[in-house]
Amino acid sequence: DTAVSQTPKYLVTQMGNDKSIKCEQNLGHDTMYWYKQDSKKFLKIMFSYNNKELIINETVPNRFSPKSPDKAHLNLHINSLELGDSAVYFCASSQRQDSGYTFGSGTRLTVV
Amino acid sequence: SQQGEEDPQALSIQEGENATMNCSYKTSINNLQWYRQNSGRGLVHLILIRSNEREKHSGRLRVTLDTSKKSSSLLITASRAADTASYFCATDARSGNTPLVFGKGTRLSVIA
Repeated sequence: DTAVSQTPKYLVTQMGNDKSIKCEQNLGHDTMYWYKQDSKKFLKIMFSYNNKELIINETVPNRFSPKSPDKAHLNLHINSLELGDSAVYFCASSQRQDSGYTFGSGTRLTVV
Repeated sequence: SQQGEEDPQALSIQEGENATMNCSYKTSINNLQWYRQNSGRGLVHLILIRSNEREKHSGRLRVTLDTSKKSSSLLITASRAADTASYFCATDARSGNTPLVFGKGTRLSVIA
């Protein structure tokens, strides 16, 4: 009965590969997000979707492409992985823009 | 940048003592939220305080907001070893569909 679930939890891959991270929420929230947390614990917004539509796309390389097949899912696909992409990626959801967020447990991506 | 800044970066206290963390931000906000992150886990929403509120309580947590100084504080009373975690403030800007912007966090260690 996990509220926001991400898979996989850990991802180790070589430079140049393409990988995907999946996120699903069963809270009925309208808005979903992807955040990146670097080694210094700094959290930066990457994307925000409201009811399957992209509303925020921060300065993120084109190699990152989110996809939302329905409002309960927001997947993140990353092409041509680079060493600097190593981080923990968090999916989150909220009922409204001005309500508390529910976070997934994170996906630790390591690019070697 | 709207990014909040927590102070101190790290705090170490004895069990039973109170812990106070501060957050400063730069722009007008709709609300300010505090989150906890245990090591290797996702963020957990603790409390939300709206821009027209000055103080809010939830269990052992007390949050204050001073919009004139663009600052907030989180007080944890009678701390426990289980309170050991990183604590982040996050702000929801007044303009547009802006997702939460997180500060850099305060690392709290409660020693038993």
